Amino acid sequence: QMQLVQSGAEVKKPGASVKVSCKASGYTFSSYDINWVRQATGQGLEWMGWMDPKSGDTAYAQKFEGRVTMTRDTSINTAYMELSSLRSEDTAVYYCAAGRGYSSPWGQGTLVTVSS
Amino acid sequence: SYDLTQPPSVSVSPGQTARITCSGDALPNQYGYWYQQKPGQAPILVIYKNNKRPLGIPERFSGSSSGTTVTLTISGVQAEDEADYYCQSSDSSNTFVFGGGTRLTVL
Repeated sequence: QMQLVQSGAEVKKPGASVKVSCKASGYTFSSYDINWVRQATGQGLEWMGWMDPKSGDTAYAQKFEGRVTMTRDTSINTAYMELSSLRSEDTAVYYCAAGRGYSSPWGQGTLVTVSS
Repeated sequence: SYDLTQPPSVSVSPGQTARITCSGDALPNQYGYWYQQKPGQAPILVIYKNNKRPLGIPERFSGSSSGTTVTLTISGVQAEDEADYYCQSSDSSNTFVFGGGTRLTVL
Protein backbone atom coordinates (compact mmCIF):
# COMPACT_ATOMS: atom_id res chain seq x y z
CA GLN A 1 0.00 0.00 0.00
CA MET A 2 1.04 3.59 -0.50
CA GLN A 3 3.18 4.80 2.40
CA LEU A 4 5.20 7.90 3.21
CA VAL A 5 7.85 7.78 5.95
CA GLN A 6 9.39 11.02 7.15
CA SER A 7 12.67 11.82 8.85
CA GLY A 8 12.94 12.35 12.58
CA ALA A 9 12.43 15.35 14.81
CA GLU A 10 14.74 18.34 14.51
CA VAL A 11 15.76 21.15 16.84
CA LYS A 12 17.13 24.27 15.16
CA LYS A 13 18.26 27.72 16.21
CA PRO A 14 16.64 30.85 14.81
CA GLY A 15 18.09 31.76 11.44
CA ALA A 16 19.09 28.20 10.60
CA SER A 17 17.62 25.92 7.92
CA VAL A 18 15.93 22.54 8.22
CA LYS A 19 15.55 19.82 5.58
CA VAL A 20 12.84 17.19 6.07
CA SER A 21 12.74 14.03 3.98
CA CYS A 22 9.76 11.95 2.90
CA LYS A 23 10.36 8.46 1.52
CA ALA A 24 7.63 6.94 -0.63
CA SER A 25 6.90 3.24 -1.04
CA GLY A 26 4.13 1.02 -2.40
CA TYR A 27 3.51 3.03 -5.56
CA THR A 28 5.24 4.69 -8.50
CA PHE A 29 6.84 7.77 -6.97
CA SER A 30 6.42 9.89 -10.09
CA SER A 31 2.67 9.27 -10.30
CA TYR A 32 1.54 11.58 -7.50
CA ASP A 33 2.49 15.07 -6.41
CA ILE A 34 4.03 15.48 -2.97
CA ASN A 35 2.36 18.16 -0.87
CA TRP A 36 3.80 19.71 2.28
CA VAL A 37 1.55 20.87 5.09
CA ARG A 38 2.46 22.10 8.55
CA GLN A 39 0.59 22.32 11.83
CA ALA A 40 1.61 24.34 14.86
CA THR A 41 0.59 22.96 18.24
CA GLY A 42 -3.15 23.38 18.74
CA GLN A 43 -3.56 25.05 15.35
CA GLY A 44 -5.00 24.09 11.99
CA LEU A 45 -3.42 22.75 8.83
CA GLU A 46 -1.36 25.14 6.72
CA TRP A 47 -0.47 24.25 3.13
CA MET A 48 3.11 25.08 2.15
CA GLY A 49 3.35 23.87 -1.43
CA TRP A 50 3.58 20.90 -3.77
CA MET A 51 6.12 19.29 -6.04
CA ASP A 52 5.64 17.07 -9.09
CA PRO A 53 8.22 14.29 -8.62
CA LYS A 54 8.21 13.52 -12.35
CA SER A 55 9.17 16.99 -13.60
CA GLY A 56 10.41 18.65 -10.43
CA ASP A 57 7.88 21.44 -10.93
CA THR A 58 6.83 23.19 -7.74
CA ALA A 59 4.22 25.62 -6.47
CA TYR A 60 4.64 27.35 -3.13
CA ALA A 61 2.19 29.19 -0.92
CA GLN A 62 2.88 32.90 -1.14
CA LYS A 63 3.66 33.01 2.58
CA PHE A 64 6.69 30.74 2.10
CA GLU A 65 8.00 32.00 -1.25
CA GLY A 66 11.71 32.69 -0.98
CA ARG A 67 12.13 30.56 2.18
CA VAL A 68 11.01 27.09 1.08
CA THR A 69 12.53 24.72 -1.45
CA MET A 70 10.99 21.39 -2.44
CA THR A 71 13.15 18.85 -4.25
CA ARG A 72 13.31 15.14 -4.88
CA ASP A 73 15.68 12.25 -5.54
CA THR A 74 13.87 9.85 -7.84
CA SER A 75 16.61 7.21 -7.46
CA ILE A 76 15.52 6.65 -3.85
CA ASN A 77 11.86 7.73 -4.11
CA THR A 78 12.37 10.53 -1.65
CA ALA A 79 11.06 14.08 -1.52
CA TYR A 80 12.59 16.90 0.52
CA MET A 81 11.34 20.16 1.98
CA GLU A 82 13.89 22.72 3.10
CA LEU A 83 12.83 25.79 5.06
CA SER A 84 15.37 28.53 5.68
CA SER A 85 15.67 31.58 7.97
CA LEU A 86 13.81 29.74 10.69
CA ARG A 87 12.03 31.65 13.41
CA SER A 88 10.16 30.56 16.50
CA GLU A 89 6.84 30.75 14.65
CA ASP A 90 8.04 27.93 12.37
CA THR A 91 7.88 25.47 15.27
CA ALA A 92 5.37 22.90 14.03
CA VAL A 93 4.79 19.38 12.80
CA TYR A 94 5.57 19.17 9.11
CA TYR A 95 3.72 16.61 7.00
CA CYS A 96 4.25 15.33 3.50
CA ALA A 97 1.29 13.83 1.65
CA ALA A 98 0.72 12.38 -1.81
CA GLY A 99 -1.87 13.48 -4.32
CA ARG A 100 -2.87 16.11 -6.89
CA GLY A 101 -5.56 18.48 -5.65
CA TYR A 102 -5.88 16.44 -2.46
CA SER A 103 -3.62 14.60 -0.01
CA SER A 104 -3.65 10.88 0.71
CA PRO A 105 -1.83 9.19 2.30
CA TRP A 106 0.10 11.39 4.72
CA GLY A 107 3.45 10.82 6.33
CA GLN A 108 3.65 10.46 10.08
CA GLY A 109 4.86 14.04 10.54
CA THR A 110 8.16 15.58 11.59
CA LEU A 111 8.36 17.89 14.58
CA VAL A 112 10.60 20.88 13.94
CA THR A 113 11.38 22.96 17.01
CA VAL A 114 13.01 26.38 16.59
CA SER A 115 14.54 27.59 19.82
CA SER A 116 17.59 29.52 20.91
CA SER B 1 -5.93 32.58 -2.65
CA TYR B 2 -9.26 32.49 -0.83
CA ASP B 3 -10.76 31.38 2.48
CA LEU B 4 -12.74 28.33 3.51
CA THR B 5 -14.94 28.85 6.55
CA GLN B 6 -15.92 26.08 8.97
CA PRO B 7 -17.70 26.22 12.34
CA PRO B 8 -15.16 25.82 15.16
CA SER B 9 -17.14 23.10 16.88
CA VAL B 10 -20.04 20.69 16.45
CA SER B 11 -21.46 18.47 19.18
CA VAL B 12 -23.73 15.46 18.78
CA SER B 13 -24.87 12.50 20.85
CA PRO B 14 -23.91 8.95 19.81
CA GLY B 15 -26.18 7.62 17.08
CA GLN B 16 -27.20 11.08 15.88
CA THR B 17 -26.19 12.75 12.62
CA ALA B 18 -23.40 15.30 12.53
CA ARG B 19 -23.17 17.85 9.74
CA ILE B 20 -20.08 20.00 9.25
CA THR B 21 -20.20 22.78 6.69
CA CYS B 22 -17.44 24.49 4.74
CA SER B 23 -18.07 27.67 2.77
CA GLY B 24 -15.94 29.31 0.12
CA ASP B 25 -16.51 31.42 -2.97
CA ALA B 26 -14.58 29.06 -5.24
CA LEU B 27 -16.39 25.89 -4.19
CA PRO B 28 -18.94 26.00 -7.05
CA ASN B 29 -15.98 25.53 -9.41
CA GLN B 30 -13.58 23.45 -7.33
CA TYR B 31 -13.92 20.12 -5.55
CA GLY B 32 -14.07 19.89 -1.77
CA TYR B 33 -12.16 17.35 0.27
CA TRP B 34 -12.47 16.35 3.93
CA TYR B 35 -9.86 15.08 6.37
CA GLN B 36 -10.23 13.58 9.83
CA GLN B 37 -7.48 14.15 12.37
CA LYS B 38 -7.35 12.53 15.79
CA PRO B 39 -5.01 13.79 18.52
CA GLY B 40 -1.38 12.99 17.84
CA GLN B 41 -2.11 11.48 14.43
CA ALA B 42 -1.72 12.57 10.84
CA PRO B 43 -4.90 13.53 8.96
CA ILE B 44 -6.66 10.96 6.82
CA LEU B 45 -8.83 11.62 3.78
CA VAL B 46 -12.47 10.71 4.40
CA ILE B 47 -14.21 12.38 1.41
CA TYR B 48 -12.80 13.42 -1.96
CA LYS B 49 -14.28 15.25 -4.94
CA ASN B 50 -17.19 16.52 -2.82
CA ASN B 51 -18.93 13.20 -2.25
CA LYS B 52 -16.68 10.21 -2.91
CA ARG B 53 -15.53 7.94 -0.13
CA PRO B 54 -12.05 6.35 -0.20
CA LEU B 55 -11.70 2.63 0.33
CA GLY B 56 -11.78 1.75 4.00
CA ILE B 57 -13.81 4.77 5.11
CA PRO B 58 -17.08 3.71 6.79
CA GLU B 59 -20.32 4.27 4.88
CA ARG B 60 -21.61 6.57 7.61
CA PHE B 61 -19.31 9.27 6.18
CA SER B 62 -20.79 11.13 3.22
CA GLY B 63 -20.30 14.43 1.45
CA SER B 64 -22.42 16.84 -0.53
CA SER B 65 -22.09 20.14 -2.32
CA SER B 66 -24.48 23.02 -2.94
CA GLY B 67 -23.41 26.38 -4.28
CA THR B 68 -20.61 27.84 -2.18
CA THR B 69 -20.92 25.19 0.56
CA VAL B 70 -19.71 21.62 0.91
CA THR B 71 -20.98 19.49 3.78
CA LEU B 72 -19.57 16.46 5.57
CA THR B 73 -22.29 14.28 7.07
CA ILE B 74 -21.62 11.55 9.60
CA SER B 75 -24.67 9.38 10.13
CA GLY B 76 -25.02 7.33 13.30
CA VAL B 77 -22.05 9.03 14.95
CA GLN B 78 -19.84 6.79 17.05
CA ALA B 79 -17.50 7.73 19.89
CA GLU B 80 -14.52 6.94 17.64
CA ASP B 81 -15.60 9.71 15.26
CA GLU B 82 -14.62 12.37 17.78
CA ALA B 83 -11.85 14.29 16.01
CA ASP B 84 -10.96 17.47 14.17
CA TYR B 85 -12.28 17.71 10.63
CA TYR B 86 -10.76 19.92 7.94
CA CYS B 87 -12.14 20.82 4.55
CA GLN B 88 -9.75 21.56 1.71
CA SER B 89 -10.02 22.82 -1.83
CA SER B 90 -7.78 24.16 -4.56
CA ASP B 91 -7.77 27.20 -6.78
CA SER B 92 -7.18 27.38 -10.51
CA SER B 93 -3.40 27.19 -10.09
CA ASN B 94 -3.67 24.02 -7.98
CA THR B 95 -2.71 25.75 -4.76
CA PHE B 96 -4.38 24.31 -1.70
CA VAL B 97 -6.57 26.01 0.86
CA PHE B 98 -7.64 24.45 4.17
CA GLY B 99 -10.55 25.46 6.31
CA GLY B 100 -9.86 26.35 9.91
CA GLY B 101 -11.07 22.99 11.19
CA THR B 102 -14.09 21.80 13.18
CA ARG B 103 -13.82 19.93 16.47
CA LEU B 104 -16.48 17.21 16.56
CA THR B 105 -17.43 16.29 20.10
CA VAL B 106 -19.46 13.14 20.77
CA LEU B 107 -21.42 13.82 23.93
